[in-house]
Amino acid sequence: DIVMTQSPDSLAVSLGERATINCKSSQSVLYNSNNKNYLAWYRQKPGQPPKLLIHWASTRESGVPDRFSGSGSGTDFTLTISSLQAEDVAVYYCQQYYGTPPYTFGQGTKLEIK
Amino acid sequence: QVQLQESGPGLVKPSETLSLTCAVSGYSISSGYYWGWIRQPPGKGLEWIGSISHSGSTSYNPSLKSRVTMSLDTSKNQFSLKLSSATAADTAVYYCARSLWSYGGWFDPWGQGTLVTVSS
Repeated sequence: DIVMTQSPDSLAVSLGERATINCKSSQSVLYNSNNKNYLAWYRQKPGQPPKLLIHWASTRESGVPDRFSGSGSGTDFTLTISSLQAEDVAVYYCQQYYGTPPYTFGQGTKLEIK
Repeated sequence: QVQLQESGPGLVKPSETLSLTCAVSGYSISSGYYWGWIRQPPGKGLEWIGSISHSGSTSYNPSLKSRVTMSLDTSKNQFSLKLSSATAADTAVYYCARSLWSYGGWFDPWGQGTLVTVSS
């Protein structure tokens, strides 16, 4: 199984400041034949289902604010929120969809306001 | 706009079968994509259970494969999950979602989720 490890487990950032969440996979999720990283990011607010933010590691979903960006390749990935807003308080998850099952999620990073 | 809604018993006895249905609106499930189930134990992270294609092919998490069955009902535009021999470890919020890339691709949208408690 591909193990996804996020860091940190929790993070407190001031409003308007940058928030950075890391995700590391136990093996590469880069598919060489199409040069795509099989990684997605989600945001889950309390009492709500996860909401897709990014797929292919850096492709932002329609309607997702451009303060959210994804980067990285191979085994190391980052979700960056350039200017934290109050509504961004949530738990963030990465997910890999590379190869054969199981398709796995990171343990989550809880983002709070400092 | 595609919407998904889970339904099923909120309480299941140990050793019995957990059965859930996901009703889809705004898109015909037989037209394409993959349809998945993901669960989240209270206060914990997300676990992919399995997915079914629009043609009925399935892919399951190996850790649950011996107990999981998924099926489509295209006449009702819904798909279902059955998890046999339930234990307390299966207590979780169960989400259904659409996968836009293969069985385990990125999931969007998700249903609101339904809490299933396994207890006598």
